[in-house]
Amino acid sequence: EIVLTQSPATLSLSPGERATLSCRASQSVFYSLAWYQQKPGQAPRLLIYGTSNRATGTPARFSGSGSGTDFTLTINSLEPEDFAVYYCQQRDDWQWTFGQGTKVEIK
Amino acid sequence: EVQLLDSGGDLVQPGGSLRLSCAASGFTFSNYAMSWVRQTPGKGLKWVSTYGTRDDTYYADSVRGRFTVSRDNSKNTLYLQMNSLSTEDTAVYFCARASPPETSSYFDYWGQGTLVTVSS
Repeated sequence: EIVLTQSPATLSLSPGERATLSCRASQSVFYSLAWYQQKPGQAPRLLIYGTSNRATGTPARFSGSGSGTDFTLTINSLEPEDFAVYYCQQRDDWQWTFGQGTKVEIK
Repeated sequence: EVQLLDSGGDLVQPGGSLRLSCAASGFTFSNYAMSWVRQTPGKGLKWVSTYGTRDDTYYADSVRGRFTVSRDNSKNTLYLQMNSLSTEDTAVYFCARASPPETSSYFDYWGQGTLVTVSS
């Protein structure tokens, strides 16, 4: 099973700042990586798929990058609605795993 | 518009059983693998099970042998039969559509979640 480790656990930033979230895989990811945003009491929402493709409705300030075992989600100029928990996710050999999440909180 | 409606969550005693349902609409249900993902209160997301498009099924180690995933394409509905429940199964259970059909590598639509509480 591929383990995804996200860092940092919590990111304290102000609106307008840039957020850089990391996701590291225990071995190379075959089917690329996805990122989700989750707000309290809501289901996760797909933000990025295929490592760098924005899902329908994802604002352009969100971007994904990386390959192999190291991946990054960048949020340029945080908006108030961006403060949430973010998860990375991969699929390998018919097993799907998620990272433990990074909480982006208002500083 | 794609919609997934989870239901069936309840309070159940340890050792008990429960069946969850996920009613889908707005897309050709049979073309997509469908999955269950759970989230313990205040914790992260854990994949539970997937039913593919070729009657293939997959399970996380923690539920294999106790949970059974099924689907009825005529009713556009996904199910999760949960047996021998323990307190560790307490969570919100989400159904999710796996995309794209060719690789099922990510989850592009999610239900609202249904709460399963295992407690005596």
